[in-house]
Amino acid sequence: EPEVTQTPSHQVTQMGQEVILRCVPISNHLYFYWYRQILGQKVEFLVSFYNNEISEKSEIFDDQFSVERPDGSNFTLKIRSTKLEDSAMYFCASRGLQPGTQYFGPGTRLLVL
Amino acid sequence: GQQLNQSPQSMFIQEGEDVSMNCTSSSIFNTWLWYKQDPGEGPVLLIALYKAGELTSNGRLTAQFGITRKDSFLNISASIPSDVGIYFCAGQISGNTPLVFGKGTRLSVIA
Repeated sequence: EPEVTQTPSHQVTQMGQEVILRCVPISNHLYFYWYRQILGQKVEFLVSFYNNEISEKSEIFDDQFSVERPDGSNFTLKIRSTKLEDSAMYFCASRGLQPGTQYFGPGTRLLVL
Repeated sequence: GQQLNQSPQSMFIQEGEDVSMNCTSSSIFNTWLWYKQDPGEGPVLLIALYKAGELTSNGRLTAQFGITRKDSFLNISASIPSDVGIYFCAGQISGNTPLVFGKGTRLSVIA
């Protein structure tokens, strides 16, 4: 069964460093999303992406964040200058033509020291 | 912003018991989804509901989309140890809008 994959599974970085989180959505999906989950809390929306541009973004997704689909398969989230409060699980999700049915990847656990 | 109130926060049940959890919202959603999350993993989609009043089953799981479109419940029948995890409801206004998640129900099953 096709699935969303994410790399790395864990990343530890120093405050102020740039990180790039990578995702490979399900191959025939057209809509892509990033969510994050701070430890013990609910999943929160960051950004959605369709047709090579951002469709919607939340207040969390400030100028330090950017997304890119550099080729036909990868979807990346970049945090330019990480802060301590960026520590969280970051989930990529994708969906096909059926509205609402978003499939999540296993996540990248980011720890900012 | 929109919020989903999910209850209960946690449950401890005996293996074999039935479980019920629900989500309510002050605003209307046109899609309701139920996900399960195991520790350190991503949410896994269990059931998707698209129409008010819809009742859908997936094995021992049954979920309903409330008539008012402001609530949904998830039932698990005859619970087993592998049902342990956190169950999240999520609502969506339209197909392209982001999911709004509840805070989750942590389920523990005692064998």
